[in-house]
Amino acid sequence: GQQLNQSPQSMFIQEGEDVSMNCTSSSIFNTWLWYKQDPGEGPVLLIALYKAGELTSNGRLTAQFGITRKDSFLNISASIPSDVGIYFCAGQDAYSGAGSYQLTFGKGTKLSVIP
Amino acid sequence: NAGVTQTPKFQVLKTGQSMTLQCAQDMNHEYMSWYRQDPGMGLRLIHYSVGAGITDQGEVPNGYNVSRSTTEDFPLRLLSAAPSQTSVYFCASSFPGAGRGYTFGSGTRLTVV
Repeated sequence: GQQLNQSPQSMFIQEGEDVSMNCTSSSIFNTWLWYKQDPGEGPVLLIALYKAGELTSNGRLTAQFGITRKDSFLNISASIPSDVGIYFCAGQDAYSGAGSYQLTFGKGTKLSVIP
Repeated sequence: NAGVTQTPKFQVLKTGQSMTLQCAQDMNHEYMSWYRQDPGMGLRLIHYSVGAGITDQGEVPNGYNVSRSTTEDFPLRLLSAAPSQTSVYFCASSFPGAGRGYTFGSGTRLTVV
């Protein structure tokens, strides 16, 4: 099946630093999504990307849909303690066997922010 | 608007016991799914449903059963719990269509001893 390679697996950063993480795939996706999971909670959607080359921001978060449609990155600027959590990328393939429902998830980037 | 509600939040089972993890959504979503999350493994799909009466297996279905008698509910049954099923379980739901994303519940932390 499809696989997403998400890196880095974990990061320790100082408060105020910028953060960058990315996902790459061996196959094309039509939609890229980025989720954040707070400790003890379920993942919550941060940003959705629909077109190759698209750059979308949500506050201090910026994500891009790669031109090849096989990758995406997420940047967090000026990190704060509440940015701590696990960030997941997900790709949606409209041509999957289950139609337009299925998401493929990366394994996550665990972010720790040192005050 | 409750979104996706999972119960219980925590559960301890003995090996061989059975139980049902409950999931309910009030958003009239057609698609519902169950994932398990283990350290370093990300989210792995157990079972999913594209509508009432329709279910299918995901990546790691062994040891789990599901049914979907209503749009709102999608329970996950552990038939005979094993220590390997110790995990955090998430239910998610969505409308069909590209870019909709999933709405996740807050999870059930299950320990099998």
